[in-house]
Amino acid sequence: GESVGLHLPTLSVQEGDNSIINCAYSNSASDYFIWYKQESGKGPQFIIDIRSNMDKRQGQRVTVLLNKTVKHLSLQIAATQPGDSAVYFCAENQAGTALIFGKGTTLSVSS
Amino acid sequence: GAVVSQHPSWVICKSGTSVKIECRSLDFQATTMFWYRQFPKQSLMLMATSNEGSKATYEQGVEKDKFLINHASLTLSTLTVTSAHPEDSSFYICSAIRTSGVYEQFFGPGTRLTVL
Repeated sequence: GESVGLHLPTLSVQEGDNSIINCAYSNSASDYFIWYKQESGKGPQFIIDIRSNMDKRQGQRVTVLLNKTVKHLSLQIAATQPGDSAVYFCAENQAGTALIFGKGTTLSVSS
Repeated sequence: GAVVSQHPSWVICKSGTSVKIECRSLDFQATTMFWYRQFPKQSLMLMATSNEGSKATYEQGVEKDKFLINHASLTLSTLTVTSAHPEDSSFYICSAIRTSGVYEQFFGPGTRLTVL
């Protein structure tokens, strides 16, 4: 079946380092991808999105890269801060359907 | 940005009772809302799609008679967990799609349900 998955369940970095979180998706028909951050006991918080007609999009300290050839999505966080510690999910959908979430990567930032 | 609220934020109930969770879009109309369930250290799993004025569409494996969904207005969807049992204890999260403008999906803060 279709699935969205993450390569690594946990990522530990030092404060100030750049973080890269990866995600693989299998539905080639997906045209919209989003990265969410979830802190303990809270709902998902939108970070950045990208549509299938783009391969890169930048936000404040974050960059999302989309490689449709290999169905790969990544989130890059520059100068990672302790406040970035959370679980990060990629999600995908097509044409306004419900988002399908990946398994999640726990990012742990140490000072 | 658009705001989606959920009420209550947490609830503890006895086994066998029913619990209603509300999901409201506060500053926009939402023809479609989604209900997700999240167990500890797991991802969000889609339970059902709630459409205003029509029956909800449930994902495979989700009992429609146990998880009653009502989407009576463009700003409110409710999820009722009937005859709750400890295995229903979970974090329930709703999301809403803004019906006007560019497609955007907004998530509520979640409701923590604990069934004793």
